[in-house]
Amino acid sequence: GAVVSQHPSWVICKSGTSVKIECRSLDFQATTMFWYRQFPKQSLMLMATSNEGSKATYEQGVEKDKFLINHASLTLSTLTVTSAHPEDSSFYICSARGRGALQETQYFGPGTRLLVL
Amino acid sequence: AQSVSQHNHHVILSEAASLELGCNYSYGGTVNLFWYVQYPGQHLQLLLKYFSGDPLVKGIKGFEAEFIKSKFSFNLRKPSVQWSDTAEYFCAVTFTGGGNKLTFGTGTQLKVEL
Repeated sequence: GAVVSQHPSWVICKSGTSVKIECRSLDFQATTMFWYRQFPKQSLMLMATSNEGSKATYEQGVEKDKFLINHASLTLSTLTVTSAHPEDSSFYICSARGRGALQETQYFGPGTRLLVL
Repeated sequence: AQSVSQHNHHVILSEAASLELGCNYSYGGTVNLFWYVQYPGQHLQLLLKYFSGDPLVKGIKGFEAEFIKSKFSFNLRKPSVQWSDTAEYFCAVTFTGGGNKLTFGTGTQLKVEL
């Protein structure tokens, strides 16, 4: 139980284009979803927290207009990297937290590797 | 600001050796503590967690961790490692008043040699 998927698993795009990454909780309702960014050989850095039906809360230094987050349902959150540039190339990971016993722990997706040319 | 530190960035062990990975946090209040593992090419998986009660916590795959409040530490241990334990290990903490946000340590890359 508590499986989180991400799509796509990797994406290559041209500079200036926008990329959408999906995060889905497959077997539970995710009341809260988190988006992280991981640089090579570094730890996960939280970008934003989203609760279903409300606006995302962004961490300091994260541009909300560049990284658009939508948590439209209890099983889906999307991260859109707008006008992507090479410095946005990274590994993006989502996690989800549910209700009850699933509230205590974040369950992570497999990540999406983004390469901006 | 609250922070989490992992002192060992790279650890190389032979099979059957004992493992201890350090994790310390800086915060005077209540914390929840986690260890996650990331095998090569795979996603983060929860090894174990501590919220309250017995400070010695047992997790999956023979791992355990001990919360020592006076030392602000939550070290991960395994008495005998296997080649399949080669992975990156992350300590993570949530702090009261932090909205259940996880703060991760920088990770420890463990390589187990045959």
